[in-house]
Formats: sequence, structure tokens, C-alpha cells
Amino acid sequence: AQSVTQLGSHVSVSEGALVLLRCNYSSSVPPYLFWYVQYPNQGLQLLLKYTSAATLVKGINGFEAEFKKSETSFHLTKPSAHMSDAAEYFCAVSRNNRLAFGKGNQVVVIP
Amino acid sequence: DAMVIQNPRYQVTQFGKPVTLSCSQTLNHNVMYWYQQKSSQAPKLLFHYYDKDFNNEADTPDNFQSRRPNTSFCFLDIRSPGLGDAAMYLCATSREKGISYEQYFGPGTRLTVT
Repeated sequence: AQSVTQLGSHVSVSEGALVLLRCNYSSSVPPYLFWYVQYPNQGLQLLLKYTSAATLVKGINGFEAEFKKSETSFHLTKPSAHMSDAAEYFCAVSRNNRLAFGKGNQVVVIP
Repeated sequence: DAMVIQNPRYQVTQFGKPVTLSCSQTLNHNVMYWYQQKSSQAPKLLFHYYDKDFNNEADTPDNFQSRRPNTSFCFLDIRSPGLGDAAMYLCATSREKGISYEQYFGPGTRLTVT
């Protein structure tokens, strides 16, 4: 069954530093992968999605993710963290017409 | 702007008192989902509608019911809320069923059970 793994529930990053959130998937078929962001007391907002068109996917707010089949990974990056990036981030894989979410990463940005 | 709307944003109910949460969408999407999200956890799918076709997740308690009277509206009914049902409830939509379609989420309703 398709699933995703996100390690490290809390991630601290200094303002201006690289943001790197790791996501590894398990799938027997080419997956459709998503990154969502959730700000406090809000719903989830789609950052970007991979649908096999291109391995490097650019999303909103300066985020991008690279699909690496050899590593079964879809890590999310942003070159320079901003205070407004403090939020929870979920990786998800589409499975049986449903989204299977990872456990999420709570990102804290340190001034 | 096309969007997913949830009302109310905050709901307080008493233990055992039925409560209904509302979701509406202006996206004209065929699929509507209800998720339960507890603190510091990922959203957990309760059920979804594809048009009028209701799909319940195997582990969704019987205490949770849903109605979709038309394309735009979907309701979550909790018949007898327990303290363990306190959570954020998220409604989402997608244009069609299928692995490539992303879901669009509403802002959620935070339910408190006293």
C-alpha cells in the first residue's frame, strides 16, 4: 500500500537559512505526491504536487520539491526561510482515491 | 473567489448533545470529504461523497454521519459527542475521484466538547 514517511516532528530553522523537509514514499506504482501547509487554526493549503510531468516541482511561497525515484523521496526545500513559513507541513500520497498523509513537520523559524 | 466554506469556525457542544457541522463549496466539485484532525496529528479521513455516492471509512465510528443534500453542501452529524471527539474537523473537495486530483480544504471547525 502506498504511504509516506516524514521524520522529525519538529524542525527548527533560522530565518534566512535553508528549509529542508524530508518525505519518503513507498509505492508499487508511480505515485502522485503532494505537499500541504497548515497554518495555526486553518485548513490545509496545497504547496505543490508531483504528477510525473517533471521531477523538479515548483510551488507557492518559494517552495520546491524534487522527485527522486532511486531514493523514493520527495523532499521539500526553500532556500531562505521567512518568519511566515512557521507552520505544519504534510507530505501526502494519493492512494485509492484518498490522500494518505505523513505525520507532519512542525516548522519553527528562529529570528 | 471559489472556495470551501465551513461554519461555524468554532463550536462548543455538551457531552452527548448532537451537533452538526456545515461545509459548502463554490467550486462545483464532485467529491467532498470530511476529515478529523486531533492536535499534532495528520488529518484522518472519516468519509467522502462522490456526487451522491457515500463512502464510509472502515474505522469511522457509527456516531459520525454525513449528509449531502446537493452538490454545494455537505454536513457532518455527530449523534452523541464524547470527550474524545474534540478535534478540528476539515472539509475538503476535489473535482473528480482519481489519484491526480488535489484536494481543496476549508478552514476547519474546531469542536470542543464540555
